[in-house]
Amino acid sequence: DIQMTQSPASLSASLGETISIECRASEDIYSNLAWYQQKSGKSPQLLIYAANRLQDGVPSRFSGSGSGTQYSLKISGMQPEDEGDYFCLQGSKFPLTFGSGTKLEIK
Amino acid sequence: QVQLQQSGTELVKPASSVKISCKASGYTFTSNYMHWIRQQPGNGLEWIGWIYPGNGNTKYNQKFDGKATLTADKSSSTAYMQLSSLTSEDSAVYFCAREDYSGDVDWFAYWGQGTLVTVSS
Repeated sequence: DIQMTQSPASLSASLGETISIECRASEDIYSNLAWYQQKSGKSPQLLIYAANRLQDGVPSRFSGSGSGTQYSLKISGMQPEDEGDYFCLQGSKFPLTFGSGTKLEIK
Repeated sequence: QVQLQQSGTELVKPASSVKISCKASGYTFTSNYMHWIRQQPGNGLEWIGWIYPGNGNTKYNQKFDGKATLTADKSSSTAYMQLSSLTSEDSAVYFCAREDYSGDVDWFAYWGQGTLVTVSS
């Protein structure tokens, strides 16, 4: 199975701050990576797919980058509504595997 | 608009089975793979498997072979997941999610609201 190592596990950011979350795959996943946000008690919401494509309706402060085994999600200018859990998902090889998640809070 | 409506909370006894449903609307049910994902309390997410409603083909995470059985009813646009021989380890929120794809890349833009399964005597 492809292991997805996500960091950091938690993050506290000030309003307006730019933050990054990383996911490292145990092998090349050929940009088949998506990022999701999940609020408490809700289903995950797609932010980024194919490593860097912004899902319709997602604010442009979210961006994704990376290739091969290294990927990152950037939030340029933290907003109050960005609090939540974030995780990555690789779709390159079965079984699909998720990162362990990052809890993002307002400082 | 695309919607995935899952069945409600289940409280079930150890060693029993449970069947969760995911009713799809707003698109052609038979045209997209439907995946199932587990989220245990305080833990991360695990992919269980997919079903292609167009022909009933399935693929499972080896970890869930024998635990989960995926089916689909085209007439009602509903996907089902049956979980058997339940233990406390199976207590979790279960999501269905529709796969979208382009070339070799896929993603889940639409998720059900989740079904909480609690296994307790």
